[in-house]
Amino acid sequence: GQNIDQPTEMTATEGAIVQINCTYQTSGFNGLFWYQQHAGEAPTFLSYNVLDGLEEKGRFSSFLSRSKGYSYLLLKELQMKDSASYLCAVRDPTGANNLFFGTGTRLTVIP
Amino acid sequence: EADIYQTPRYLVIGTGKKITLECSQTMGHDKMYWYQQDPGMELHLIHYSYGVNSTEKGDLSSESTVSRIRTEHFPLTLESARPSHTSQYLCASTDTGTGYNEQFFGPGTRLTVL
Repeated sequence: GQNIDQPTEMTATEGAIVQINCTYQTSGFNGLFWYQQHAGEAPTFLSYNVLDGLEEKGRFSSFLSRSKGYSYLLLKELQMKDSASYLCAVRDPTGANNLFFGTGTRLTVIP
Repeated sequence: EADIYQTPRYLVIGTGKKITLECSQTMGHDKMYWYQQDPGMELHLIHYSYGVNSTEKGDLSSESTVSRIRTEHFPLTLESARPSHTSQYLCASTDTGTGYNEQFFGPGTRLTVL
């Protein structure tokens, strides 16, 4: 079966750094995605990791450790508009290369 | 910017009605998906398609059906809506031949069945 765990909620201060963790146990692994979803809107793609290590993209970075089944999304210089849900999703080649999503972490940025 | 569209955005309908949720993409993507998402919950895959004339069931059992007669169009149909079908339905697509194969999502249809 597929199991993807993320914290349900986090709160951080504007201008700060926040790390959102994701652990996964899946039948197979062919990449991990992070998506951002504002309330009532569609998810939008943020980052992709398939090899171990850190991928940086502006204020956002994502890290992957395949041996630990672990990833995190790092958001720097937080802005109010970063308040959203952040979804971790694993692509499983044994599941037709479809994505399996966690429940998402709702991040609230406060002034 | 992704070009994937869903109509209607909001739908309130009575029990027993037949409904079709439309999804179209203009990116020429081969693979398309339908997800169901309840508030605060994860996305659950209910249907997907590898291309024209291909339809597959996802991980979450659904009473809905889909069709893929054209590459760009992937409608979802409920023959007889029930209150348990109340949810948000998200359509997505990807080009399996290039890049990360990330999925691009439409804006969603929020369905309420009374």
